[in-house]
Amino acid sequence: AQSVTQLGSHVSVSEGALVLLRCNYSSSVPPYLFWYVQYPNQGLQLLLKYTSAATLVKGINGFEAEFKKSETSFHLTKPSAHMSDAAEYFCAVSDRETSGSRLTFGEGTQLTVNP
Amino acid sequence: NAGVTQTPKFQVLKTGQSMTLQCAQDMNHNSMYWYRQDPGMGLRLIYYSASEGTTDKGEVPNGYNVSRLNKREFSLRLESAAPSQTSVYFCASSLFPEGTEAFFGQGTRLTVV
Repeated sequence: AQSVTQLGSHVSVSEGALVLLRCNYSSSVPPYLFWYVQYPNQGLQLLLKYTSAATLVKGINGFEAEFKKSETSFHLTKPSAHMSDAAEYFCAVSDRETSGSRLTFGEGTQLTVNP
Repeated sequence: NAGVTQTPKFQVLKTGQSMTLQCAQDMNHNSMYWYRQDPGMGLRLIYYSASEGTTDKGEVPNGYNVSRLNKREFSLRLESAAPSQTSVYFCASSLFPEGTEAFFGQGTRLTVV
């Protein structure tokens, strides 16, 4: 079964600093990969997704992620953090090979942005 | 543009009571899902419906049942609530099961006492 691991349940950065949130997946065949963001008391919103067209994927709010097959990783980055980026971020994976495959989520990373 | 609508938003149940969480989407999506979110555990899939007329168990189905009433609606039922079912429940939908973005409702915060 697909699984996804997010390293670091809490990440804290200063405003203006680089944001790096880590995600690794377990699959011999590159899956579909997603990053979602959740603001307090809200549902999840898609930031970006990888479906094989390009290894560097740009998303909303200045975020991007790079798919690295050799490292089975899909880390999320943003060059300069903003206070409004404080939220919980989830990496998710969907198997390409299985019909009816479902989205499997990582445990989430809470991002804090300090002034 | 409503997207995915869940009702209710909050609910308190006593142990042993039953309830149904309602979910409806207006995006003509084929697939619908129920997840629960617990601190430090991410989102775990309870049940999903890849297409109208089909339902399948996810990772944590025990204690729950679902009904795909039609293409728009997918309900989750707790027959006999237990404190371990205290959680935030999210309904989601996607155009197809594989590789397409899932859209989420605002969640239902359920407390079982």
